[in-house]
Amino acid sequence: DVKVTQSSRYLVKRTGEKVFLECVQDMDHENMFWYRQDPGLGLRLIYFSYDVKMKEKGDIPEGYSVSREKKERFSLILESASTNQTSMYLCATRGRGIQPQHFGDGTRLSIL
Amino acid sequence: ILNVEQSPQSLHVQEGDSTNFTCSFPSSNFYALHWYRWETAKSPEALFVMTLNGDEKKKGRISATLNTKEGYSYLYIKGSQPEDSATYLCAFDFGNEKLTFGTGTRLTIIP
Repeated sequence: DVKVTQSSRYLVKRTGEKVFLECVQDMDHENMFWYRQDPGLGLRLIYFSYDVKMKEKGDIPEGYSVSREKKERFSLILESASTNQTSMYLCATRGRGIQPQHFGDGTRLSIL
Repeated sequence: ILNVEQSPQSLHVQEGDSTNFTCSFPSSNFYALHWYRWETAKSPEALFVMTLNGDEKKKGRISATLNTKEGYSYLYIKGSQPEDSATYLCAFDFGNEKLTFGTGTRLTIIP
């Protein structure tokens, strides 16, 4: 079974802080994704990585950056957290081809 | 941005009843459609990946159909049970590893 582990289930940070959300997978998948989920808006893609050091912007990349130095780890960075980044953040992985995505348990982030 | 629409937004169903809901997507450039179940406090779980027009997939009491020509997929649940309460998400697969998700149908089973 694929295991996707997000570093925290709940996180509270202050406006202006630099925030790191970590995601680790154990299935050697090339593709990793960061989404945020807000009520009524569904899952929206922030960033996507298709290989080590490779990244692509998703639909809502503003205010975020990512890092993929190793295949198993994909980090989402909030450079200067703002209250509108309070949300549920989900990491996912996917092998190549017509495969489902596998999700972590999510991090509920509150920016005060 | 591609529009993937799900209806209804929410649904309350009596235990034992059957139900279905819809996912609509653009019919051009179809590659694949995914269905996921997302229970509260858990991670989304893949149900089906569908690729062929007319495809029907089944997993226990849950089944899904696909019409790529008209751009819709139905998810059916037969004899609903309390453990079926969840948000059901569909996602359009572009074929470039990315998915676009609908906003989901939140299903509540009333005991």
